[in-house]
Amino acid sequence: AQKVTQAQTEISVVEKEDVTLDCVYETRDTTYYLFWYKQPPSGELVFLIRRNSFDEQNEISGRYSWNFQKSTSSFNFTITASQVVDSAVYFCALSEPVNYGGATNKLIFGTGTLLAVQP
Amino acid sequence: DTGVSQNPRHKITKRGQNVTFRCDPISEHNRLYWYRQTLGQGPEFLTYFQNEAQLEKSRLLSDRFSAERPKGSFSTLEIQRTEQGDSAMYLCASSNQKVRHDEKLFFGSGTQLSVL
Repeated sequence: AQKVTQAQTEISVVEKEDVTLDCVYETRDTTYYLFWYKQPPSGELVFLIRRNSFDEQNEISGRYSWNFQKSTSSFNFTITASQVVDSAVYFCALSEPVNYGGATNKLIFGTGTLLAVQP
Repeated sequence: DTGVSQNPRHKITKRGQNVTFRCDPISEHNRLYWYRQTLGQGPEFLTYFQNEAQLEKSRLLSDRFSAERPKGSFSTLEIQRTEQGDSAMYLCASSNQKVRHDEKLFFGSGTQLSVL
């Protein structure tokens, strides 16, 4: 069965600290996609990144970086020099197997990590 | 392009009543998804449409739930004979699968349902 585990329920940091959010997934499929979404207090989920299971290169986007390690089934997310605006719930998600000639957006979400960045 | 719009934002109803939510996806997006999110949990998939065709329904979607997307544009989600366990945030999302491998989902702000 497919499953996403985000063991950190809540993390509190002080502004400018670096913080890493952990994500561990389970799947028997060889082809899959991994995602991170941000859910601010307004409630709307905001897409951050999508990663193909065949691409293990780490990615950096501004203060955000992602570390995908297939060997440990992990897809961790690091925010460098955190800011108050980063305060939100962050979800890691796994897609169902590729079908219909392209990946589906039927996502399996973890339980989320609430990040609180204090000024 | 104003994003995915959901109405109403909040709905309070009494147990046993029927409720209907509406979702307007981003124009040109051919796929539309419904998810449900309870407090402290991640969203759970309910169903999705490609154009007007409902392609898949989760086992979470009991026979009291029905979703439609009659013209392949907006969608409605109806819950009949609501139960307290239906209280949750109902999220709608859309994507443009016409662009191959474009798997980015755009979510609305959701409809918060409270069943008293």
